[in-house]
Amino acid sequence: DTGVSQNPRHKITKRGQNVTFRCDPISEHNRLYWYRQTLGQGPEFLTYFQNEAQLEKSRLLSDRFSAERPKGSFSTLEIQRTEQGDSAMYLCASSPPHRTDTQYFGPGTRLTVL
Amino acid sequence: EDQVTQSPEALRLQEGESSSLNCSYTVSGLRGLFWYRQDPGKGPEFLFTLYSAGEEKEKERLKATLTKKESFLHITAPKPEDSATYLCAVQARGNTPLVFGKGTRLSVIA
Repeated sequence: DTGVSQNPRHKITKRGQNVTFRCDPISEHNRLYWYRQTLGQGPEFLTYFQNEAQLEKSRLLSDRFSAERPKGSFSTLEIQRTEQGDSAMYLCASSPPHRTDTQYFGPGTRLTVL
Repeated sequence: EDQVTQSPEALRLQEGESSSLNCSYTVSGLRGLFWYRQDPGKGPEFLFTLYSAGEEKEKERLKATLTKKESFLHITAPKPEDSATYLCAVQARGNTPLVFGKGTRLSVIA
């Protein structure tokens, strides 16, 4: 069990650019979640997948955001036309089958939009 | 709407000075209440899940308890390495996403 991994760990971009983050969940975890966390706040839910199916999206997930999990393994989160308000820590979590209540988080990707 | 409120926002303790963190919640049917620890610049680390009022869980110097309206995280004889932000989250029935509080930032001074 190597834990949830996320890449890159840090990303600095200019406003208007597109960025893509990757999350590799714990092996055999079928649920994968994306959260966003800003300074002084708890994580806020963005979206989640069960296997390759995207089952729920938050109202926070504007049409500039898109997430995929094409083979039910790793996932990508893309932000198009980034805005300064997108600056945050993007967290990925996964949970195992039959224990979908317990989510294990990765180290996060820190995005800074200049 | 499910809500989680944590208090205090920040807590400063001397090493060995026991205390409690509070998590008040409103949720439409509780499936589980979760405690996480988060160090600066890192992702949350899972500590406990509590499912029903009266339940208690322990891990080293930490003990979590649950009532119908709130949860407490008791820290006994804390050490400087316990310094972190402690997050509380709830999940309503039906596999809804976790709803987090803002956390309590704990500093333990040697």
